[in-house]
Amino acid sequence: GESVGLHLPTLSVQEGDNSIINCAYSNSASDYFIWYKQESGKGPQFIIDIRSNMDKRQGQRVTVLLNKTVKHLSLQIAATQPGDSAVYFCAENRSAGSARQLTFGSGTQLTVLP
Amino acid sequence: EADIYQTPRYLVIGTGKKITLECSQTMGHDKMYWYQQDPGMELHLIHYSYGVNSTEKGDLSSESTVSRIRTEHFPLTLESARPSHTSQYLCASSERTGLDEQYFGPGTRLTVT
Repeated sequence: GESVGLHLPTLSVQEGDNSIINCAYSNSASDYFIWYKQESGKGPQFIIDIRSNMDKRQGQRVTVLLNKTVKHLSLQIAATQPGDSAVYFCAENRSAGSARQLTFGSGTQLTVLP
Repeated sequence: EADIYQTPRYLVIGTGKKITLECSQTMGHDKMYWYQQDPGMELHLIHYSYGVNSTEKGDLSSESTVSRIRTEHFPLTLESARPSHTSQYLCASSERTGLDEQYFGPGTRLTVT
């Protein structure tokens, strides 16, 4: 079936290095994508989003890249900090008739090493 | 930070008990959602609502029920809790229009013994 999934379940990076978290999606009709960060014991928190008419969007220390040709989404975190340790989810949003639904992929656990 | 609240944060309850998980938001959002999430796993949509008196079942079958009598309130009820209901339940809301960025509450961790 249609799904959004992540390539790697865990990722460890040294503090100060850049992190790249990947996501593959299979629904070519998806037109909006969101990255969420979920810290232990908390609900997901919005990080950054991107529409399908864009290839790249930058925020504070984060960049999302969208490659519609291969249905691939990535989240880049610059100068990773201990506070970035969390589970990261990508989600796709598409229209289904009059409804719009978010579909979440399985998360990637990012661990920042001292 | 989003103004969406869930109570209780943690609940341990025996099999067969009826429970209601509360969710409230003060953003005036029309759309609200309930997700079920096991530790380290993806979120599964179990219920959603487009507004007052609107409720729909999500992708994941659930024995729970929901109601939407007021815009700000979207409680979830389990008539008879079972150990298989042990999970984290996350409530979210979004505006009716727009690209549907969802704002999440802190979640309720439910354990059924």
